[in-house]
Formats: sequence, structure tokens, C-alpha cells
Amino acid sequence: QQQVKQSPQSLIVQKGGIPIINCAYENTAFDYFPWYQQFPGKGPALLIAIRPDVSEKKEGRFTISFNKSAKQFSLHIMDSQPGDSATYFCAARESYNTDKLIFGTGTRLQVFP
Amino acid sequence: NAGVTQTPKFRVLKTGQSMTLLCAQDMNHEYMYWYRQDPGMGLRLIHYSVGEGTTAKGEVPDGYNVSRLKKQNFLLGLESAAPSQTSVYFCASSYLIASDTQYFGPGTRLTVL
Repeated sequence: QQQVKQSPQSLIVQKGGIPIINCAYENTAFDYFPWYQQFPGKGPALLIAIRPDVSEKKEGRFTISFNKSAKQFSLHIMDSQPGDSATYFCAARESYNTDKLIFGTGTRLQVFP
Repeated sequence: NAGVTQTPKFRVLKTGQSMTLLCAQDMNHEYMYWYRQDPGMGLRLIHYSVGEGTTAKGEVPDGYNVSRLKKQNFLLGLESAAPSQTSVYFCASSYLIASDTQYFGPGTRLTVL
């Protein structure tokens, strides 16, 4: 049972495009939603995170949009660059019973020049 | 400041062999985690620890054991390796709680023949 559903599995865009990665969840107890970025051969690293009391958060070219009523959140990458080519994971914090992150299945993004 | 380090980087085992993966962090973090990463399945939590001397089961704990005898170290053991345990294993740590930034190690690629 996948508690955090992520789509698409892979995404190809041209430089300057705006890739969008979507995640959906069911557990209303989730209270923290980070995105992690992973380059080949490396461990994931925190990119940006949002809490459910705000609908949008921007950090540089990366934006999280959060829709609490729909239980969905998405990552937008403005003016994408070849250096953004990586795998992106959304996650959600399960705080009700245990304190841990539940990760989505990942999206492999390729940005071509 | 090395962050999170993992030993070894690569390992090949035969079915039934045992091994221990070592994770070390020098950031004085309380929480430590072991994840496995498989294609199309994202990061799945195996075991985690909320402090020295404590451990707890994650999403996929079967076939693995862990120990946290020292705050800076978190060991993952495979008592009798199976081909289904072929994966990339990541260790992570966070300061106090799961919604603090999780810092990941570089990973261990394990193949079980």
C-alpha cells in the first residue's frame, strides 16, 4: 500500500521548460511534506519542504504547491537546466503514531539542452 | 565534518552469508535511519533509531537487525542474505525529529547471488 503516490515515473523536458511532479496522499495526519533531490551515485538531499498551513513555498527556481483539501502537493521547477537532471522524491511525515518519513516512488527528470 | 559516511560502498554476497553495514555521523544527531532503494519503489524505511540504545522497526524490517550502541553509529545486519535483499542501502540522520532535515550517506550497493 503506497501511502504517498508520486507521478510521473519519468519526465523529459527541454532547457527552460517547467517540469511538474505530483504527489498525492490519503493520511490526514501527515504534517510535513519535503522534496528530496538525488543525483546518480549519491544519496538524496533535501531540496525544499512545506507544512500544510501554507499553499505555496518558493526557494529559487523550485516551488511547492500544496492543496490540503485535495490532499495533493506538487513540485515545479522554473527555467529548468540540464543540471537539474536527477531523481526527485516527495515525502510526508507520519507524526500521529510514529515519527518517520514516507517517501514516494521517485521521478526521474531529464533536462536536455 | 564528514557528515554521514557508510561502509562499505559495494559488496557482493552469496545467499546465506551474513554481513554488517556501518553508518557513522559526526553531526551529533539523535535520529538515524536505514533505507533501501529499489527501482520503482522509492526509499523504504527498514529500521530507525531515536537515540543511543534505541531501535524501532520501519516499513520493511524482515531479514534485518540493527544496533545503536553509540550515538554516532548505526549498524545494519543481514544474518542470512537472500537475493531479495539485493538493493542500494542508504543511511540517514536527523537532529531531533523526522521533520528535521535528513542527511543521507552515499549508499552501499549490495548484490546477493
